[in-house]
Amino acid sequence: EDKVVQSPLSLVVHEGDTVTLNCSYEVTNFRSLLWYKQEKKAPTFLFMLTSSGIEKKSGRLSSILDKKELFSILNITATQTGDSAVYLCAVQPNTGNQFYFGTGTSLTVIP
Amino acid sequence: DTAVSQTPKYLVTQMGNDKSIKCEQNLGHDTMYWYKQDSKKFLKIMFSYNNKELIINETVPNRFSPKSPDKAHLNLHINSLELGDSAVYFCASSFKGDQPQHFGDGTRLSIL
Repeated sequence: EDKVVQSPLSLVVHEGDTVTLNCSYEVTNFRSLLWYKQEKKAPTFLFMLTSSGIEKKSGRLSSILDKKELFSILNITATQTGDSAVYLCAVQPNTGNQFYFGTGTSLTVIP
Repeated sequence: DTAVSQTPKYLVTQMGNDKSIKCEQNLGHDTMYWYKQDSKKFLKIMFSYNNKELIINETVPNRFSPKSPDKAHLNLHINSLELGDSAVYFCASSFKGDQPQHFGDGTRLSIL
């Protein structure tokens, strides 16, 4: 059965810290891995990764995929209180329009 | 200007009732989705739909049915509501089925 596991489940850090969020997956015929940020309402898209070893970067956020070891990490440097959210990882197989989401990592950044 | 909009935002109703949630997207996307998010924030896909194909997650009870009057709308109809249906339901859309999704703000459904 396809599945996506995120760790840690929750994390509390101080402003300025660097955090690393993990996503491991078991999916038949992998197509892509996506990261989303969910604050109070809608998840918002961060990154889509399809190739191993190529870092995607947006400001203080970056992500990389390892298709051999079947995981991805999301890094946030110099965290700010506005980074507090649930970060969701989703994996899409090559067939159909299915997306499998992990349970998310809840990040709290304390001033 | 909202890209994906859902109505209502909140829905409180009794067990056994039938209800609908509406979703509209103005992004010109070809594919739309419905997700259920439980109290632990776990998002599970229920349906994906484009003009040609409806893909149903086989674990979704047949009390749930998507209805798409046109490419920009995908409504969710639920018959005979049960306590376990309480959750937040998200509509989403994407340009194609393999592209990132834009989510609506969700509809919080509470069953009394």
